[in-house]
Amino acid sequence: DTEVTQTPKHLVMGMTNKKSLKCEQHMGHRAMYWYKQKAKKPPELMFVYSYEKLSINESVPSRFSPECPNSSLLNLHLHALQPEDSALYLCASSQSLVTDTQYFGPGTRLTVL
Amino acid sequence: GENVEQHPSTLSVQEGDSAVIKCTYSDSASNYFPWYKQELGKGPQLIIDIRSNVGEKKDQRIAVTLNKTAKHFSLHITETQPEDSAVYFCAASQAGTALIFGKGTTLSVSS
Repeated sequence: DTEVTQTPKHLVMGMTNKKSLKCEQHMGHRAMYWYKQKAKKPPELMFVYSYEKLSINESVPSRFSPECPNSSLLNLHLHALQPEDSALYLCASSQSLVTDTQYFGPGTRLTVL
Repeated sequence: GENVEQHPSTLSVQEGDSAVIKCTYSDSASNYFPWYKQELGKGPQLIIDIRSNVGEKKDQRIAVTLNKTAKHFSLHITETQPEDSAVYFCAASQAGTALIFGKGTTLSVSS
């Protein structure tokens, strides 16, 4: 089973709201990723966690705050977002950073009003 | 850093025809090349991947070829079906580094 689940599927929020996106995998993978994808563009890497520690932060604004509570869960906390942050947010996982094969979840479609 | 170019950006074929999508990469240290299929409203799905110690890999109607000397790799889909219609992304990476994606190819298969 190569399933990564994400909740919610859709999220609409105002610029002053605080919300969280959730990602879960039960494949025993130790690396987890957040990507942002705008329409008709490839995914852009935001954050990478390896063994529950933040390994890569691709200069993402602080209004996005990742959290990895355990090896199966990855959260993305959102606060004071801008309309241009509206996008599909994808979570992915891989066995480790050394093993490259990444499996993606279905994404959360975020709209910021 | 790595740069991946993908062509064509759109591809229209008739059902039953073959489709070929090509990617070139810039960093000779890259050694892993996956292909993802993304249908509307869904996340990217890994369909096939190849590592630099292999020249070709096949899985039913899908094949990937890699030319390390020329630094390019291609996706071949034979006997295309309408359900193959999607956006296809190639990517390249080295162990422990981020996947670098191409810009994507929108494949349309008409019946």
